[in-house]
Amino acid sequence: EAEVAQSPRYKITEKSQAVAFWCDPISGHATLYWYRQILGQGPELLVQFQDESVVDDSQLPKDRFSAERLKGVDSTLKIQPAELGDSAMYLCASSAYLQGMGSKNIQYFGAGTRLSVL
Amino acid sequence: RKEVEQDPGPFNVPEGATVAFNCTYSNSASQSFFWYRQDCRKEPKLLMSVYSSGNEDGRFTAQLNRASQYISLLIRDSKLSDSATYLCVVNPIRGTGNQFYFGTGTSLTVIP
Repeated sequence: EAEVAQSPRYKITEKSQAVAFWCDPISGHATLYWYRQILGQGPELLVQFQDESVVDDSQLPKDRFSAERLKGVDSTLKIQPAELGDSAMYLCASSAYLQGMGSKNIQYFGAGTRLSVL
Repeated sequence: RKEVEQDPGPFNVPEGATVAFNCTYSNSASQSFFWYRQDCRKEPKLLMSVYSSGNEDGRFTAQLNRASQYISLLIRDSKLSDSATYLCVVNPIRGTGNQFYFGTGTSLTVIP
């Protein structure tokens, strides 16, 4: 079964350092999402790509976060500088945008990157 | 108002019990609905899509009530392995693309 690949699985960093996360979606999935999930809460969308274009980054803290998907395939999410409040699980997901397919527009998640900022 | 709201629980039920979760959504034009399961410190995984006519998968039944804008998940004959957080997900399919909105999740613990 095809999977969304993410790396690293765990990252420990000190505040003010830079961190980067990588995601490779399921082959052929045009839509890619980065979410942040704090323990006890649901995933919160940070940025959504359709191919190489950003569709929604309204919740991305742009002073310190950046995301790119240059060739419309894999993607990188960067935080610089990291702050204590950034400690969370960062989840990548992908879906095949099937217009009009309703309930078949399913999101598949990677295993996530657990970030701890000390 | 949040796009999707769920009772966070926790729900603690004995093995074999029947338990139901509800979730409400704010966008009346929403088109697709899902329940995801998330184990502790793992990624969310699709449990089932929710169809307009309701659907069943083994011990799990999902219902959609468009008039009241809520979806439900019923678990019969609960197993220890059902212990997890259940996330309600709504896909409005707005013009800007394929967006998904998540509830905060409902925590279920099945007790021996």
